[in-house]
Amino acid sequence: AQKITQTQPGMFVQEKEAVTLDCTYDTSDPSYGLFWYKQPSSGEMIFLIYQGSYDQQNATEGRYSLNFQKARKSANLVISASQLGDSAMYFCAMREGPGGYQKVTFGIGTKLQVIP
Amino acid sequence: GAVVSQHPSRVICKSGTSVKIECRSLDFQATTMFWYRQFPKQSLMLMATSNEGSKATYEQGVEKDKFLINHASLTLSTLTVTSAHPEDSSFYICSARFSYPSVRADTQYFGPGTRLTVL
Repeated sequence: AQKITQTQPGMFVQEKEAVTLDCTYDTSDPSYGLFWYKQPSSGEMIFLIYQGSYDQQNATEGRYSLNFQKARKSANLVISASQLGDSAMYFCAMREGPGGYQKVTFGIGTKLQVIP
Repeated sequence: GAVVSQHPSRVICKSGTSVKIECRSLDFQATTMFWYRQFPKQSLMLMATSNEGSKATYEQGVEKDKFLINHASLTLSTLTVTSAHPEDSSFYICSARFSYPSVRADTQYFGPGTRLTVL
């Protein structure tokens, strides 16, 4: 079974609007971490936001927030007030088990295009 | 900060030659670094986990004799693609994790990647 599922291959959003990128995950480990990364056309992977499985509150970082619904095993990324520079590939990822020693599994990504 | 650099950013080489890619954590110590490979329009595929002072752990299907990894210090890991062939052409990207007990130790920070083209 897929560990990380991103069902939206591509998304469009109008500049200044909010957009939600979907991510569902599959794990039986009670301790895990969820990440979102942005990959612009230059190729580098930019860390956006992290949510630990035991975190009580949804993570937020500036315009990025993670809508963590543990029972549904979803970790959607919400980008508010989209900017043209947000156009990129977005990857959801999961680390299973405590600590950082376990490897991180990536989803296939969602291509976001912001329209002026 | 959490800056990770990679060198070179692009390399073109002839088939049969070896290519070394460096990954450095510039402003933090990284006990563990990771090497990924990414094909066009695909996700990242973990190749190996590199731990400072010990042998790397390779993922299933990755040839350890072909992709040599050395993690000699807390800020440097190298990936050497030996006897490169055209099918090794890809985007190679490394990441580094803060050493514990840093609160940032759970997050991997990525380098800018290296695009390898083997002719």
